Order: sequence, then C-alpha cells, then structure tokens
Amino acid sequence: EAQVTQNPRYLITVTGKKLTVTCSQNMNHEYMSWYRQDPGLGLRQIYYSMNVEVTDKGDVPEGYKVSRKEKRNFPLILESPSPNQTSLYFCASSQKGSSYEQYFGPGTRLTVT
Amino acid sequence: AQKVTQAQTEISVVEKEDVTLDCVYETRDTTYYLFWYKQPPSGELVFLIRRNSFDEQNEISGRYSWNFQKSTSSFNFTITASQVVDSAVYFCALSEPPPPNAGGTSYGKLTFGQGTILTVHP
Repeated sequence: EAQVTQNPRYLITVTGKKLTVTCSQNMNHEYMSWYRQDPGLGLRQIYYSMNVEVTDKGDVPEGYKVSRKEKRNFPLILESPSPNQTSLYFCASSQKGSSYEQYFGPGTRLTVT
Repeated sequence: AQKVTQAQTEISVVEKEDVTLDCVYETRDTTYYLFWYKQPPSGELVFLIRRNSFDEQNEISGRYSWNFQKSTSSFNFTITASQVVDSAVYFCALSEPPPPNAGGTSYGKLTFGQGTILTVHP
C-alpha cells in the first residue's frame, strides 16, 4: 500500500531534550516536506527536500533541522525543543515538487513542556 | 511573497444547503498551482483538486465544484447539497516557482491558507 508513515504519532517531552520524528514513504517520490499545523494558522511549511541531499527552508525553519540521506526517509530533528514547538506535525511527499499532489502522513502530535 | 487567505474561519450549514468556501491568493508569478485539501475529524489530509494558473476552466466533480478567477486571484470551492460527511477543515494552498536566482525550475514551497472549518448539521 502506498503510504507515508510517521513515528511517533504522539510525543510528550521536556524543553531542551533532543528528539527526532521520522518520516518514510514507499512511493519513490523525489519530493518530501514537513509542515506544522497550529489553530488559526493553518499548515506552515518547515523544510522541504527536492531530492536526496537537497533540502531547503520553508516558512518556519527556526528550531528545526532535516536531512535527506535516502530517498525514502526525511527525518525532522528538534535539537532543543521549546514549548512554542508544541504542534501537530505532518510529513508529505510528492512525485517531483510542491506543484504535484501531496501525500500526507498521519501526523505527529508533539507536546513540549 | 506568496500568500493564501481563507477569510471564513468557520461556516455552519444545515444538510442539503449549498456552501462556498472562499480562497484568495497573492503571488508574484504568472505560473503557479492551486490546491484544495480536506481534513476530516479523523485528522488526515486528503487531496481534492489541483489547478495550474493557465487553466481557468471551472471544474465539477460530483457535488464539488471549483471556480478559478485569475482576475480576482480567487479559487473558490462550492459544495452542493451538503452532507454531514462534508464536515471538515478545508485548506486552500498555493505552489509558486522559486525566485529566478535560485536556479532550476522545480517547485518547492507550498503555502496553505488558515483553513475553514465547515460544520454540516443534520
């Protein structure tokens, strides 16, 4: 089944404790992206990757890191999480870029206390 | 910078009513792509439609229709004869090519509107 998976689905952590949210797709898509969803703000793009080893900032990259060492994986790293990073995070992939239909993962609910 | 505005935060209708969700966008470019996504209460994001800036034909898919007007930078979404299962958050989104000095032609940035919460009552 074609899908985008994210882990964990739920995470509660404390300020400053490094964490990684994994994202994997099995559709051989070149493009992957991370978004955060906050009430009243919609989805905002954090980082995106056009292909392996090619990443770029979205609209809200501060406090996040990403890497794309393999085509199927695009982890999101929070080196020192803060409470303002409490949010719902979505990973997505598409064939060749943001001009194509995005396939979204199920979301990761992160709470930073 | 690209921007998408969904001015309607929440809409409440009774089943079988028609409802239109507004989407207004700003972009510097003549080539761009517009999307609508649905987020039902279960939380997943579901693709509804993709439209490029050169195709101004309106589209109909069952009870759903989309009205794209470049003159007013709008891409509105209408649900005819709404049903309870249409209750969801609906997002409009815009994909724009990178600036000329960025190199390449691939599209990377995607900007979403704030979303409209639609509640359809039985």
